[in-house]
Amino acid sequence: NAGVIQTPRHKVTGKGQEATLWCEPISGHSAVFWYRQTIVQGLEFLTYFRNQAPIDDSGMPKERFSAQMPNQSHSTLKIQSTQPQDSAVYLCASSRGQNSDYTFGSGTRLLVI
Amino acid sequence: GDQVEQSPSALSLHEGTGSALRCNFTTTMRAVQWFQQNSRGSLINLFYLASGTKENGRLKSTFNSKESYSTLHIRDAQLEDSGTYFCAASYGSSGNKLIFGIGTLLSVKP
Repeated sequence: NAGVIQTPRHKVTGKGQEATLWCEPISGHSAVFWYRQTIVQGLEFLTYFRNQAPIDDSGMPKERFSAQMPNQSHSTLKIQSTQPQDSAVYLCASSRGQNSDYTFGSGTRLLVI
Repeated sequence: GDQVEQSPSALSLHEGTGSALRCNFTTTMRAVQWFQQNSRGSLINLFYLASGTKENGRLKSTFNSKESYSTLHIRDAQLEDSGTYFCAASYGSSGNKLIFGIGTLLSVKP
């Protein structure tokens, strides 16, 4: 079991460019979550999927952020027209279900310059 | 408002000593998880509790849903325990979404 795999580990983009972050959940886990971590805001919920269906995207900035889960083996978080304030560590986690613990990936550190 | 109030924000321990971290919740939570974030930034799951107490080695955690708090006790602290500890809780309407505390930065000194 390789755990939750996130790629890339680090990404640097220029302001206005697009960034796509990838997450491969643990096989058999039905729930996938995306969080963002910054010094100022701490750990913030972005969105989550259950059995590939989007359940709650209440934490997603509406205009430039989108997330998808096209199959059970991966999810993507896409940020269009990146801005410096998008710089953060983006963390993906998966869990077996409603009442189960999370396993986090190592995160993608995004820097927008 | 802040639904998960974690304290202390920072803690310094000498090797071999112990202490407790605490999270108070301003609403009834369904479950709590505790994580350690190491120097590489990875969040390691320490405990998941829907109620009661769990123990794992030198760590023990309690979740009292009626009184809306959870604690993490560390005993016989070791250098490798250094890092940031987070509590996170889920509540009824949030599904399995977690609300995180601000974290406790633990420094264990020789």
